[in-house]
Amino acid sequence: KAGVTQTPRYLIKTRGQQVTLSCSPISGHRSVSWYQQTPGQGLQFLFEYFSETQRNKGNFPGRFSGRQFSNSRSEMNVSTLELGDSALYLCASSISGRGNEQFFGPGTRLTVL
Amino acid sequence: KQEVTQIPAALSVPEGENLVLNCSFTDSAIYNLQWFRQDPGKGLTSLLLIQSSQREQTSGRLNASLDKSSGRSTLYIAASQPGDSATYLCAVRTYNNNDMRFGAGTRLTVKP
Repeated sequence: KAGVTQTPRYLIKTRGQQVTLSCSPISGHRSVSWYQQTPGQGLQFLFEYFSETQRNKGNFPGRFSGRQFSNSRSEMNVSTLELGDSALYLCASSISGRGNEQFFGPGTRLTVL
Repeated sequence: KQEVTQIPAALSVPEGENLVLNCSFTDSAIYNLQWFRQDPGKGLTSLLLIQSSQREQTSGRLNASLDKSSGRSTLYIAASQPGDSATYLCAVRTYNNNDMRFGAGTRLTVKP
C-alpha cells in the first residue's frame, strides 16, 4: 500500500510570491492534516480536511489556505510569502481523523529568499 | 490550551542500554496519544498509537504507556541500537480543539 506522498519535495521562492503544495493521502483515507515544522516553533497544526471540508484550523494567518478534492488529495497554498514561512511542511492522512492513527508524508522543504 | 512537554530534550546512551523517554500533557481530555520518530530532514514515522481507554501498547522493542489522569506517557526502548538514533516526538489529539499537539521531541543518540 503506497504511503502519503507530497510534491514537490523542495521549493525555493522569493518574498511576495505564492506557493502551492500537494499531498496525496493513503488510499481509503479521507482525512488530511497539514503541519508546519520549524526549528524555533516545532510542529504546528495548520488545518485539517475531511470529505472536502475544512474541519479544523490552527492559529495561522489567512495567507495560509488549503482545499481537498473529491479523491481526498489536498493542496495548501501560501500567498505573499515571508522569510518566516521557510519550513518543512508535512501532511498526514488518517481514515477519519480524531481517534485514528496518523501517517505522515516526507514533507516539502520550502525556502523563502 | 493543551501543552505537551518532552523530557529530556536530548539523550545519549551506549548501544544495548534500555531507556525511557517521557511525555507530559496538561489536558487529559484526549482521544489518543501517538509516538513518532523523525530522522533528520525527513517526515514522521508512526511508532505507536495509544487510545485514551488503553494503558499501553507494544511493538517489538518498543513499549508505550499512558496515564491519562496524571497526563503522562512513557516510551520504553529495550536493547537500544545505533539505528534507533533519531528524534522521538509524542503528540496528543485533544477533544476540545480536535487538533494534534506535539511535544518538542527528544533527540536520541545511541553510540556503538
